[in-house]
Amino acid sequence: GAVVSQHPSRVICKSGTSVKIECRSLDFQATTMFWYRQFPKQSLMLMATSNEGSKATYEQGVEKDKFLINHASLTLSTLTVTSAHPEDSSFYICSAGASGWGNEQFFGPGTRLTVL
Amino acid sequence: GQNIDQPTEMTATEGAIVQINCTYQTSGFNGLFWYQQHAGEAPTFLSYNVLDGLEEKGRFSSFLSRSKGYSYLLLKELQMKDSASYLCAVINSNYQLIWGAGTKLIIKP
Repeated sequence: GAVVSQHPSRVICKSGTSVKIECRSLDFQATTMFWYRQFPKQSLMLMATSNEGSKATYEQGVEKDKFLINHASLTLSTLTVTSAHPEDSSFYICSAGASGWGNEQFFGPGTRLTVL
Repeated sequence: GQNIDQPTEMTATEGAIVQINCTYQTSGFNGLFWYQQHAGEAPTFLSYNVLDGLEEKGRFSSFLSRSKGYSYLLLKELQMKDSASYLCAVINSNYQLIWGAGTKLIIKP
């Protein structure tokens, strides 16, 4: 099956620092990658959709200058949380889809971000 | 607006059967997913329905009625490891994935 990895799995940082989260599709080429945020006991919230080689499409209310997304290749997308604050503490999950595979998304294991 | 409705929490007994319902109102429809999510983990794919009817996969089955905007996930022979949240998600006409809030399923011995 399709495998998606995320790194790091857990990160703790000080307020004001930037954190980069990597999402990789290990055994397929992901034409589209999605970034989600999930707060405790809440559903997934789509932050942005990115296609390889083009700018990400952000959902309403998500600051593109704060959450920088780079989909540099068909197997790698990165999310950088710039100048992180405690309210950015959350579970960040990426998922990947491939053309010709229908609408299924394959999820990474998630990254738990804690901002002190 | 677009929304997905599913019960917040359900409780069932080990070995029994449970049905988790999902109703949706979205701008168009291109398929419905069910995902399982254990606490602190990312969702894992369970099923995908795009045509009306029942899809069976082992102990899990998923049903879809597009005319009613309704789906259910049926879990048979419940095991303790089935305790998790079950997320219903619909792809709309813009190919956006709209997520429900999830149903927390508690399995008791």
